[in-house]
Amino acid sequence: KAGVTQTPRYLIKTRGQQVTLSCSPISGHRSVSWYQQTPGQGLQFLFEYFSETQRNKGNFPGRFSGRQFSNSRSEMNVSTLELGDSALYLCASSLVPSGGSDTQYFGPGTRLTVL
Amino acid sequence: AQSVTQLDSHVSVSEGTPVLLRCNYSSSYSPSLFWYVQHPNKGLQLLLKYTSAATLVKGINGFEAEFKKSETSFHLTKPSAHMSDAAEYFCVVSADTGGFKTIFGAGTRLFVKA
Repeated sequence: KAGVTQTPRYLIKTRGQQVTLSCSPISGHRSVSWYQQTPGQGLQFLFEYFSETQRNKGNFPGRFSGRQFSNSRSEMNVSTLELGDSALYLCASSLVPSGGSDTQYFGPGTRLTVL
Repeated sequence: AQSVTQLDSHVSVSEGTPVLLRCNYSSSYSPSLFWYVQHPNKGLQLLLKYTSAATLVKGINGFEAEFKKSETSFHLTKPSAHMSDAAEYFCVVSADTGGFKTIFGAGTRLFVKA
């Protein structure tokens, strides 16, 4: 069974631009979560989608948004990029929403660099 | 409320010696606990998880962890470190709290000396 895939793997943007990242979960998984990882802040939860509905959202500004499609694939969008948005963005999928014993499976991440 | 504290930001061991990575948690619920490993420029890989069954949990690559409710700890151990174990390790607590449910620790960087 194929794992979680994320595209693109690397991205370079300039301040003020916007970016869209994509995540394809493991087949059959309906929950997708997004995380931002930086050296200073560690792993921070962005949001979680289950069956096309946002279930949870972390403490990020409204410039960060996401959505989930009927095939469970998810996208996240960051508008008006800032230097501080440079990070590794990780996507994780699971069968059911997080919060229980179900395991989250992580993709390799998208490395975003904002210049 | 939930929280997780990894007590060491860095741990250094020699190859062939035991590994101990410490994790304390706080939860008002019955949590599930996980350990993940992240190698450089890679995603996170599940090492093991505790889900209210056996308190001693065995994972991949010779790692194991013991859930101690009285001490609210879930420390990760391995009898003999290998060079390939050098990575960052994350302790995670997860519970159905009605709100945000999964909390990651700050991570522990494991160094393995030859």
